[in-house]
Amino acid sequence: GQQVQQSPASLVLQEGENAELQCNFSTSLNSMQWFYQRPGGSLVSLFYNPSGTKHSGRLTSTTVIKERRSSLHISSSQTTDSGTYLCALERGGSNAKLTFGKGTKLSVKS
Amino acid sequence: EAAVTQSPRNKVAVTGGKVTLSCNQTNNHNNMYWYRQDTGHGLRLIHYSYGAGSTEKGDIPDGYKASRPSQENFSLILELATPSQTSVYFCASGGWGQINERLFFGHGTKLSVL
Repeated sequence: GQQVQQSPASLVLQEGENAELQCNFSTSLNSMQWFYQRPGGSLVSLFYNPSGTKHSGRLTSTTVIKERRSSLHISSSQTTDSGTYLCALERGGSNAKLTFGKGTKLSVKS
Repeated sequence: EAAVTQSPRNKVAVTGGKVTLSCNQTNNHNNMYWYRQDTGHGLRLIHYSYGAGSTEKGDIPDGYKASRPSQENFSLILELATPSQTSVYFCASGGWGQINERLFFGHGTKLSVL
């Protein structure tokens, strides 16, 4: 089965609303990363977060290893936040092999 | 800022032809990766490398070869291209051994095999 599952698959927000994106994994992990991808664009790293909570501007990432989940919180969303958010995990014992979820497509309306 | 450069940006190939996608990184990272991205499948790992001279099979290596002649360069080779290999290909670099920092991606190569 799929080792990395993201939810929701898509999300539509009004500008100013908050978003909570989830990433659940079914295996042990060495690391977890979150990426942002603009339509037709490349991937930009948002967080490297193997455990705990990290902040960057309006973004917060929380990884709870025991519960096998990681979340990305976007506060006060803006139209420029629209795009796809992907999580990727390095499985325990796989040494540098990253597996991606299918992503959450976020659309923020003005 | 870390830099990963892919070439070409777009490529049209004929079925049965040979295609080489190139990737160069200036980050001095040991680890490099080739992914393909398709609607419905997300990003899937084709090959990766721990350093010059090493290549490892990812999750979908069939029909692809990889070459890492130097720290900076990592190529993906399609010896006999097929229409099913039409996709967007991304190269990435990151870390030393176990990933211990962020992964940096190139802008992608859009490959169409006719």
